Amino acid sequence: KAGVTQTPRYLIKTRGQQVTLSCSPISGHRSVSWYQQTPGQGLQFLFEYFSETQRNKGNFPGRFSGRQFSNSRSEMNVSTLELGDSALYLCASRDSPSGANVLTFGAGSRLTVL
Amino acid sequence: QKEVEQNSGPLSVPEGAIASLNCTYSDRGSQSFFWYRQYSGKSPELIMFIYSNGDKEDGRFTAQLNKASQYVSLLIRDSQPSDSATYLCALNFGNEKLTFGTGTRLTIIP
Repeated sequence: KAGVTQTPRYLIKTRGQQVTLSCSPISGHRSVSWYQQTPGQGLQFLFEYFSETQRNKGNFPGRFSGRQFSNSRSEMNVSTLELGDSALYLCASRDSPSGANVLTFGAGSRLTVL
Repeated sequence: QKEVEQNSGPLSVPEGAIASLNCTYSDRGSQSFFWYRQYSGKSPELIMFIYSNGDKEDGRFTAQLNKASQYVSLLIRDSQPSDSATYLCALNFGNEKLTFGTGTRLTIIP
């Protein structure tokens, strides 16, 4: 069974630009979560999608948005990039958004904002 | 605000010894507890998880819950250099979201 696939793996942007990251979950998983990981803050929850609907949202500004498609693939978008958005963005999938279900992470997309 | 706290380390343990990692949490309603391992430059991978009803052992790893003192531990027996990584604790506070601690960096000294 293929794992969680994230693209692109690395990208460099400049301040003010926008970026779109993609995540394909494990086959059969309908829930996709996004996390931002930085050295100082650790793993911060962005949002979770299930059946094309946003189920949970973290404390990030509106510049961070996401969506999920009917095939469970998900994208997240960050607009008007700031230097502080430089981070590893991790996508994780699970069967459904139950707290008891295990999250499986993708390899991440490392974003550098110059 | 519900929180998960871990000592950032680094925690240094001699090879072959027992490594003990702790995670404290703020909400007695927590139901599920997860331990992830993250190697440098890699993504987190699940080691094990327990529910609020008991401990679990899996090979060299044991997860223990102390509900009264609100902490969960991960014990690694016969520590190996390959166990050197950052260990992340994550909790479900009775809802759907998982909240992660900032992780403890573990170094096994040969």
